[in-house]
Amino acid sequence: DAKTTQPPSMDCAEGRAANLPCNHSTISGNEYVYWYRQIHSQGPQYIIHGLKNNETNEMASLIITEDRKSSTLILPHATLRDTAVYYCIVRVAMYNQGGKLIFGQGTELSVKP
Amino acid sequence: DTAVSQTPKYLVTQMGNDKSIKCEQNLGHDTMYWYKQDSKKFLKIMFSYNNKELIINETVPNRFSPKSPDKAHLNLHINSLELGDSAVYFCASSQTLGSDEQYFGPGTRLTVT
Repeated sequence: DAKTTQPPSMDCAEGRAANLPCNHSTISGNEYVYWYRQIHSQGPQYIIHGLKNNETNEMASLIITEDRKSSTLILPHATLRDTAVYYCIVRVAMYNQGGKLIFGQGTELSVKP
Repeated sequence: DTAVSQTPKYLVTQMGNDKSIKCEQNLGHDTMYWYKQDSKKFLKIMFSYNNKELIINETVPNRFSPKSPDKAHLNLHINSLELGDSAVYFCASSQTLGSDEQYFGPGTRLTVT
């Protein structure tokens, strides 16, 4: 699986958009980009994933560059409850890897009032 | 209703003891996992099971023995506990081995003294 690079920490003002970057310059053509987050003392939570196209769901938007070497997770209106560690994971289809997720260090996002 | 539950939430024990952590999911999923999060917050896959069959054993010491009595349960038994086993253990499940989204339990904090 391709490795990812994320900033260790970021701050965001409540109500503003939080843009979390992820570099995955060695990503292969069949690897997807997944985002999970872990709120303090809880289990990780799936947010969104994508292959090439931008994706949006009720939680966030995922913007993948055309060369697929980087992506950005956007939380459009961050709230205090969005304070968490955000993990960017790249991997081939889940069944090929026995379903495992390989977590890096992630970005610790602090949403401030 | 809790989708993925673990018991106990906290477990404090002495070196050399044997302990078990239980996991149950009520989502009707086929695939279940155990992850370990160490003191540096690094989250790593240990095992995955699909339809009660072991798929991944990620070079975990054989003191750790997962058992899946049915698709809804994946228990983790640990023999001869060591100080280095202290961590938070997360159970997770997914619809199938190929599913994109994994649902995590709340975690079990194991402290070995």
